[in-house]
Amino acid sequence: GENVEQHPSTLSVQEGDSAVIKCTYSDSASNYFPWYKQELGKGPQLIIDIRSNVGEKKDQRIAVTLNKTAKHFSLHITETQPEDSAVYFCAASYSGYSTLTFGKGTMLLVSP
Amino acid sequence: DAGVIQSPRHEVTEMGQEVTLRCKPISGHNSLFWYRQTMMRGLELLIYFNNNVPIDDSGMPEDRFSAKMPNASFSTLKIQPSEPRDSAVYFCASSFAGEDTEAFFGQGTRLTVV
Repeated sequence: GENVEQHPSTLSVQEGDSAVIKCTYSDSASNYFPWYKQELGKGPQLIIDIRSNVGEKKDQRIAVTLNKTAKHFSLHITETQPEDSAVYFCAASYSGYSTLTFGKGTMLLVSP
Repeated sequence: DAGVIQSPRHEVTEMGQEVTLRCKPISGHNSLFWYRQTMMRGLELLIYFNNNVPIDDSGMPEDRFSAKMPNASFSTLKIQPSEPRDSAVYFCASSFAGEDTEAFFGQGTRLTVV
């Protein structure tokens, strides 16, 4: 089955800095890669996703890149704000027909 | 839509007792997932239903755990008997299986077994 590794487990940045979280996956058949944000006391919520026919996707301050050859994908957050502080999870699946396999999560702390 | 609704939000029970967690998926979704979240193991998939049929229950830890989906709008996860190591946050998520597989999560049930 699919195995997703995520790094780092914790990340502390100053407000305004950029943050990068990296994930690798094992199953070359995976073609859907979402990122979820989990705030304290809440369930994970999708913030951005990418499919394997795309190398990069941006949505305002967040972007995701995918390298299919190396089987890794990354989340980039620019101009971080204190409200970006949360746990971020990457995941992988074969789109539409299987379950998501999640990484262990990254706790992002943005200091004012 | 109110999103995925889970109940209760918090449950404290004594070891050996039966615990039932409930989930109402988003209307129209045909896939439902139960996850368990702990600090040590992260988000683990317990069981996955598609069109109310269990498709993959390989993540269910042992026979003490069971899940049902009697209809498209309701699912339960039961632990009997409960043990302290079952303490975790249990999430239910739903999606519409297809090209767009965004899974929507509920708020979770924090279970503490003492």
